[in-house]
Amino acid sequence: AQSVAQPEDQVNVAEGNPLTVKCTYSVSGNPYLFWYVQYPNRGLQFLLKYITGDNLVKGSYGFEAEFNKSQTSFHLKKPSALVSDSALYFCAVRDAGYGQNFVFGPGTRLSVLP
Amino acid sequence: GAGVSQSPSNKVTEKGKDVELRCDPISGHTALYWYRQSLGQGLEFLIYFQGNSAPDKSGLPSDRFSAERTGGSVSTLTIQRTQQEDSAVYLCASSLDRVSYEQYFGPGTRLTVT
Repeated sequence: AQSVAQPEDQVNVAEGNPLTVKCTYSVSGNPYLFWYVQYPNRGLQFLLKYITGDNLVKGSYGFEAEFNKSQTSFHLKKPSALVSDSALYFCAVRDAGYGQNFVFGPGTRLSVLP
Repeated sequence: GAGVSQSPSNKVTEKGKDVELRCDPISGHTALYWYRQSLGQGLEFLIYFQGNSAPDKSGLPSDRFSAERTGGSVSTLTIQRTQQEDSAVYLCASSLDRVSYEQYFGPGTRLTVT
């Protein structure tokens, strides 16, 4: 069965500092990995995805994520955090060989402090 | 272009009543998903439609839940004999096809069962 873990409920970072939101996954086959962001009172928005190719994936709003197969991780990163990045972040995984049933992690709330 | 729309945005109902939630996907998107998000929690997959194929109902929590998609476009999620534990935000998402993978989410319907 597929699963996703986001080990931190809350991440606090000062504006201008680098940020990392952690995600680890478990699938039987090859993983398709995604990050979504949910701003207050708004719907979920797609940030980036890893399907195949380069392990470092770049996405919207300056975010990037690194796929690490040996550590089964897909951590979200940004070199310099903005206060406007404060939101709820979800990691999701789908097994490439299983079908379209995505599994979402529980979410990590990011607070960027001015 | 128009995004995914959902109606109503809020629904308050009495325990035992039936409710219908509607989703209008992005035009041309063949894949449609329903999720449930309880307060402060991650997304729980409910059901997936792909074109004219039989839906993947594996996430529906009980036989009180059902969904249909007419003409490969609009979808309705029906909850019969609502219970207080059904209270949550119900999210609909669509994607272009099986290959593109990114899901575009609607704003959700907040259901409160009293």
